[in-house]
Amino acid sequence: EAQVTQNPRYLITVTGKKLTVTCSQNMNHEYMSWYRQDPGLGLRQIYYSMNVEVTDKGDVPEGYKVSRKEKRNFPLILESPSPNQTSLYFCASSSWSGTGGGDTQYFGPGTRLTVL
Amino acid sequence: KNQVEQSPQSLIILEGKNCTLQCNYTVSPFSNLRWYKQDTGRGPVSLTIMTFSENTKSNGRYTATLDADTKQSSLHITASQLSDSASYICVVSPYSGAGSYQLTFGKGTKLSVIP
Repeated sequence: EAQVTQNPRYLITVTGKKLTVTCSQNMNHEYMSWYRQDPGLGLRQIYYSMNVEVTDKGDVPEGYKVSRKEKRNFPLILESPSPNQTSLYFCASSSWSGTGGGDTQYFGPGTRLTVL
Repeated sequence: KNQVEQSPQSLIILEGKNCTLQCNYTVSPFSNLRWYKQDTGRGPVSLTIMTFSENTKSNGRYTATLDADTKQSSLHITASQLSDSASYICVVSPYSGAGSYQLTFGKGTKLSVIP
């Protein structure tokens, strides 16, 4: 089954304790992306990746890191989480070839993070 | 700065009625425009995707239209059902020949369908 998986689904942590949220897709997609969603603000892009070893900042990259060492995985790293990073996080992937604008994005189930 | 504006912010309709959601964008040049449905607490699910050369695209009771000249899109829902209650998000993808791969999201329209 084609899918995007995220782990963990729920996480409660304390300020400053490094954490990683994993994201994996089984569709051989080039494009992967992380979003956070907060009430009233909609989905905001944190980082995206066009392919292995190619990443770029989205709208709200501060406080986050990513890596793309394998095509299927795109982990999100919070090196020193703060309470303002409490949010619902989504990973997504899509194909993207040539100069086209990318294909339909498939979203993961979300990770609800609380930073105390 | 690229922007996507959606209206209305929220909408309440009676089951069985039709409704139309609006999306205005400034992204230019753009490659495609997408509509997603998002149930509360879950990941968005794609409804339609249209390239700049398409005017309309349907997916069951959902029909999206696009006017690239006026930079407007709409999503029409026919014969609404209780399960249509969700947020609907408009997303514009840039023409990546211009060197940008960042998607621009609207904040969504929250639709409530009541019996």
